[in-house]
Amino acid sequence: NAGVMQNPRHLVRRRGQEARLRCSPMKGHSHVYWYRQLPEEGLKFMVYLQKENIIDESGMPKERFSAEFPKEGPSILRIQQVVRGDSAAYFCASSPPQATDTQYFGPGTRLTVL
Amino acid sequence: EDQVTQSPEALRLQEGESSSLNCSYTVSGLRGLFWYRQDPGKGPEFLFTLYSAGEEKEKERLKATLTKKESFLHITAPKPEDSATYLCAPMNTGFQKLVFGTGTRLLVSP
Repeated sequence: NAGVMQNPRHLVRRRGQEARLRCSPMKGHSHVYWYRQLPEEGLKFMVYLQKENIIDESGMPKERFSAEFPKEGPSILRIQQVVRGDSAAYFCASSPPQATDTQYFGPGTRLTVL
Repeated sequence: EDQVTQSPEALRLQEGESSSLNCSYTVSGLRGLFWYRQDPGKGPEFLFTLYSAGEEKEKERLKATLTKKESFLHITAPKPEDSATYLCAPMNTGFQKLVFGTGTRLLVSP
């Protein structure tokens, strides 16, 4: 059973460009979470999604950031007009519908903004 | 606001030298306390979930315990492959999000 998959693993963008990060949950998992880890800081919750629904986006910056989890395909975290402060590791986690507490993490996408 | 403090920030042990890591937390209502291990450049790897004070869970050389204010991760006779950052994260009853501490960086020398 493949784990949570994220791509790309590394992404380099120039200031003002868009970054699109993808997350495929574990097979059978219908809940997806996004966390951000800034250098020398702990992981911070960003958003919690179920298929076609945003359940909790209390950790998402108000501007430039958006997330979706469509009926078909991976979850996408989109960052518009990136700035240097967006440089971080972005982790996706998933959990199954019958046990929503335990979250299993992917390997992360490391975003570097030049 | 939910808060988590882990100590020590870093810990260096000799192989076979047992020790404990501490996680102090403040949440309005605890749904569960999660422990993860994170290796450099990788995502957190799930270790344990504890749900109520007095609960203990074990996996190989690791044992996690929980009180109403703290959780401990005991490492017995560690090996170099136990070197990693150990993260604890409580989950509030009202939410589905994990609140992570900054972790304890463990280095076990042969």
